[in-house]
Amino acid sequence: GAVVSQHPSWVICKSGTSVKIECRSLDFQATTMFWYRQFPKQSLMLMATSNEGSKATYEQGVEKDKFLINHASLTLSTLTVTSAHPEDSSFYICSALGTSTFTDTQYFGPGTRLTVL
Amino acid sequence: AQKVTQAQTEISVVEKEDVTLDCVYETRDTTYYLFWYKQPPSGELVFLIRRNSFDEQNEISGRYSWNFQKSTSSFNFTITASQVVDSAVYFCALIADQTGANNLFFGTGTRLTVIP
Repeated sequence: GAVVSQHPSWVICKSGTSVKIECRSLDFQATTMFWYRQFPKQSLMLMATSNEGSKATYEQGVEKDKFLINHASLTLSTLTVTSAHPEDSSFYICSALGTSTFTDTQYFGPGTRLTVL
Repeated sequence: AQKVTQAQTEISVVEKEDVTLDCVYETRDTTYYLFWYKQPPSGELVFLIRRNSFDEQNEISGRYSWNFQKSTSSFNFTITASQVVDSAVYFCALIADQTGANNLFFGTGTRLTVIP
């Protein structure tokens, strides 16, 4: 149980284009999902908290208009990187908050590696 | 403020050796949760263990064991008889948010390399 998927697993795009990343909880409903960014050999940096049916809460320094988050259902949250630039290249990881035994445990997706040319 | 420190950036051991990964945390909250996650080269974070602040019992799961000591604010992770498949980055993390936001604070990670 508690499986989280992400799609795509990797994407290469041209500068100026937008990229959408999906995060799905496959076997449980997740009212709360999180989006992280990880640079090579560094720890995870929380970007935003996504709550189903409401606006995402962004961490300080994260541009809301740059990183659009939508949590339209209990099993799906999307992150759209708008007008991507090379500095947006990174590993993006989502997590979903467990709803059964450990409601405070985050289960992570496999990550999406974004490369902006 | 919450903080998690993993002082060991990289560790290399020879297969079958035991290895301990250190984790020291800081929080003013009396209720908090500690976690360990494993990130293999594939990138996916794998949940290993959750421990709440009121449960100081050590835990053993196969070759893995965890030592939680509130007196030293430490939550160390030991792998016994290490194997090549244990090679990964291991993150210690903390949730201590009375607002219930469940924000995970990660340490910087320890990269473990097990040499065959």
